[in-house]
Amino acid sequence: AQKVTQAQTEISVVEKEDVTLDCVYETRDTTYYLFWYKQPPSGELVFLIRRNSFDEQNEISGRYSWNFQKSTSSFNFTITASQVVDSAVYFCALSEGGTGRRALTFGSGTRLQVQP
Amino acid sequence: DARVTQTPRHKVTEMGQEVTMRCQPILGHNTVFWYRQTMMQGLELLAYFRNRAPLDDSGMPKDRFSAEMPDATLATLKIQPSEPRDSAVYFCASGLPPSGPSYEQYFGPGTRLTVT
Repeated sequence: AQKVTQAQTEISVVEKEDVTLDCVYETRDTTYYLFWYKQPPSGELVFLIRRNSFDEQNEISGRYSWNFQKSTSSFNFTITASQVVDSAVYFCALSEGGTGRRALTFGSGTRLQVQP
Repeated sequence: DARVTQTPRHKVTEMGQEVTMRCQPILGHNTVFWYRQTMMQGLELLAYFRNRAPLDDSGMPKDRFSAEMPDATLATLKIQPSEPRDSAVYFCASGLPPSGPSYEQYFGPGTRLTVT
């Protein structure tokens, strides 16, 4: 069975601080996909990134960066120089690859509060 | 700007009433998912379809929930009869074919259901 654990329930930082959101996953599949979604106070779920299990390259997109490490089954998300607009709940998610089940298994989310 | 649309955005109903939620997936997406978000359970899969055929509805209470795709542009989730414990935000998401090079699920804005 698949499982995603986001141990940090809530994080509070002051604007301009860097913050890392942790995600640990469990799966028996050799091919899988990992995702991060953002849920701002308005409630929609915004796709941020997808990473394939066979691609361990880290990725940077502006102030966002992601560190994927298969050896520790982790897919952590770092926001550099945080801003108030980053305040949201962030979800890590996992799905099978290949032609298997494609539904997402979500973690419980980390609520990030960025104080001005 | 292609988006998943959901109607209604908010629904308040009395226990025992029938509720129908609708979703229009992004044109060209052949996989459609229904998720439910509650404080207690987080984000959980209810059902998903590929090419309009149900592939997995194991997350749905079968006695009261039903999901269908009458055509490629419409997915419906029905609850009959509704109960207070069904109060939640219901998200629809659509995605590209599994064989495609890119696989993200794009979420609609959700339907916030309150059953009194």
